Amino acid sequence: NAGVTQTPKFQVLKTGQSMTLQCAQDMNHEYMSWYRQDPGMGLRLIHYSVGAGITDQGEVPNGYNVSRSTTEDFPLRLLSAAPSQTSVYFCASSMGLALSYEQYFGPGTRLTVT
Amino acid sequence: AQSVAQPEDQVNVAEGNPLTVKCTYSVSGNPYLFWYVQYPNRGLQFLLKYITGDNLVKGSYGFEAEFNKSQTSFHLKKPSALVSDSALYFCAVRPTGGGNKLTFGTGTQLKVEL
Repeated sequence: NAGVTQTPKFQVLKTGQSMTLQCAQDMNHEYMSWYRQDPGMGLRLIHYSVGAGITDQGEVPNGYNVSRSTTEDFPLRLLSAAPSQTSVYFCASSMGLALSYEQYFGPGTRLTVT
Repeated sequence: AQSVAQPEDQVNVAEGNPLTVKCTYSVSGNPYLFWYVQYPNRGLQFLLKYITGDNLVKGSYGFEAEFNKSQTSFHLKKPSALVSDSALYFCAVRPTGGGNKLTFGTGTQLKVEL
């Protein structure tokens, strides 16, 4: 199993541009989520999905959209990039919907918005 | 609202000495508690979790953590530190009563020196 994969690894955007961060998992996990990691702030939940066709907002959803058309894929869209969205983005998945399950993380995407 | 505190930004320890990384939490009801480790330029890796039962939880790479309900703490420990343990450690909490949000602490940088 490849686990959780993310592309691209690095990206530089200009303010106002849009892009999609890709996330895929091959473990047939129901639960998938997106986090951003900023220095001194830990990880903050952006959006999550409990299954194909079902998504919900996390702690910091503004400026981001998600969709879940398949179990495997959970892309994160930046609609109009802003410098405040400069961060490292992690996708994660877990086996089921039980809150006790641990999450598996992808390697991250480092995004810079100028 | 749930929260996690990791009071130390950095912990330094000599190789071979015991290490402790502190974590306290606040949550309504009973918690699910997790520790994750992040090596440079990598995603987070699951170390261990407390769900229920024995307050001493054993995890990967010789790490363990002790759940203390009265002190609302879940400190990470290892009897003998290795240089290869140097990494960023995150504590996280979820309430057992519901909600999909996993709340992370701000992280503690562990540095193990020869």
